[in-house]
Amino acid sequence: GEDVEQSLFLSVREGDSSVINCTYTDSSSTYLYWYKQEPGAGLQLLTYIFSNMDMKQDQRLTVLLNKKDKHLSLRIADTQTGDSAIYFCAESFSGGYNKLIFGAGTRLAVHP
Amino acid sequence: DGGITQSPKYLFRKEGQNVTLSCEQNLNHDAMYWYRQDPGQGLRLIYYSQIVNDFQKGDIAEGYSVSREKKESFPLTVTSAQKNPTAFYLCASKRGDANTGELFFGEGSRLTVL
Repeated sequence: GEDVEQSLFLSVREGDSSVINCTYTDSSSTYLYWYKQEPGAGLQLLTYIFSNMDMKQDQRLTVLLNKKDKHLSLRIADTQTGDSAIYFCAESFSGGYNKLIFGAGTRLAVHP
Repeated sequence: DGGITQSPKYLFRKEGQNVTLSCEQNLNHDAMYWYRQDPGQGLRLIYYSQIVNDFQKGDIAEGYSVSREKKESFPLTVTSAQKNPTAFYLCASKRGDANTGELFFGEGSRLTVL
């Protein structure tokens, strides 16, 4: 079945790197995504990676994809207090209407 | 500015009442979606619509209804049949030709049943 799993909480010190991990089940997913949700708001797309890539870097964000292990990670360099939010991993489900399957979200807390 | 507007942002309902959540987009997107978010759970798909006058049930459609009479609008009705309606509801849209599958989200509506 389709499932995306993430750890629920991560706490880091300001200035350190954060690494948020995700595992997924649909090996035929075309794209994998990271969305950010700030308190009381909708989700915003942070970045995505095509399934034939291993890595994608965008300023402070680095996405690593291990297709063999179905593992996706998001690294945020030099984490700031403004990065405190919930981060959702999502995969594109291949079974029809381009549905996205979301994980439960990882709440990132950045402390001084 | 283009975007998705959801209203109301907060809504309180008594048990046994139907409520309708509004979702409007001016992005000219073909597809629209309704998700439900509960604490500690991922987003779950309620209904989606690929084109006007057509919509399909998602994973948790029981107790909900939708309509898609206009491209810009995709309202969600939470009926009294929904056993546990207190949640955060998110509307999203997607371009029909978007190969990346990126969803654009509204700011959400929080429904509380008293």
